Amino acid sequence: QKEVEQDPGPLSVPEGAIVSLNCTYSNSAFQYFMWYRQYSRKGPELLMYTYSSGNKEDGRFTAQVDKSSKYISLFIRDSQPSDSATYLCAFLGGYNKLIFGAGTRLAVHP
Amino acid sequence: DAEITQSPRHKITETGRQVTLACHQTWNHNNMFWYRQDLGHGLRLIHYSYGVQDTNKGEVSDGYSVSRSNTEDLPLTLESAASSQTSVYFCASSEGGTVGDTQYFGPGTRLTVL
Repeated sequence: QKEVEQDPGPLSVPEGAIVSLNCTYSNSAFQYFMWYRQYSRKGPELLMYTYSSGNKEDGRFTAQVDKSSKYISLFIRDSQPSDSATYLCAFLGGYNKLIFGAGTRLAVHP
Repeated sequence: DAEITQSPRHKITETGRQVTLACHQTWNHNNMFWYRQDLGHGLRLIHYSYGVQDTNKGEVSDGYSVSRSNTEDLPLTLESAASSQTSVYFCASSEGGTVGDTQYFGPGTRLTVL
């Protein structure tokens, strides 16, 4: 079993839709949870960061963590074509090392 | 503005050749990382460094080496390139000293081994 599972998509939605992206993980020692966004042919950039169960909101983005289920989600409200990218979940392992999901490719069409 | 750069951006080489990918950051970050990204695998850690003269193996280090002689640079060397090392390589850096501090990624190097 992989340490992190993430559906690679692709996910195609119309502009304005609510998008839900998800990851499951198996290591209960993970305490820090992140979402990175990666545009085509670019490096990933940190989008959201949380270290506790519950919700964290930043503009149109909400990160949700359920430690009991080992499940994290990223919600995008009022999705825009500029949100089209690959979204990678990431978890902080030992020695400050990041463990990434495979990434979900999202396309928002006008 | 401070930044992290990688060179070359694209490289084609032949099996068995030695290849070095450069990574340079101007943030004065202590931590530097090398990842490879392949379809279906996401980003996997190759090597990392927490400071000058410090290097550590990551998840997929076989066939790769790094050295850290100064704060700004962490070159990645493929000793004898193999077709399985065809991938996109990303360098990242973080300030260090804080658990979970943000990693900043370079633009990537697309390497093809024929």
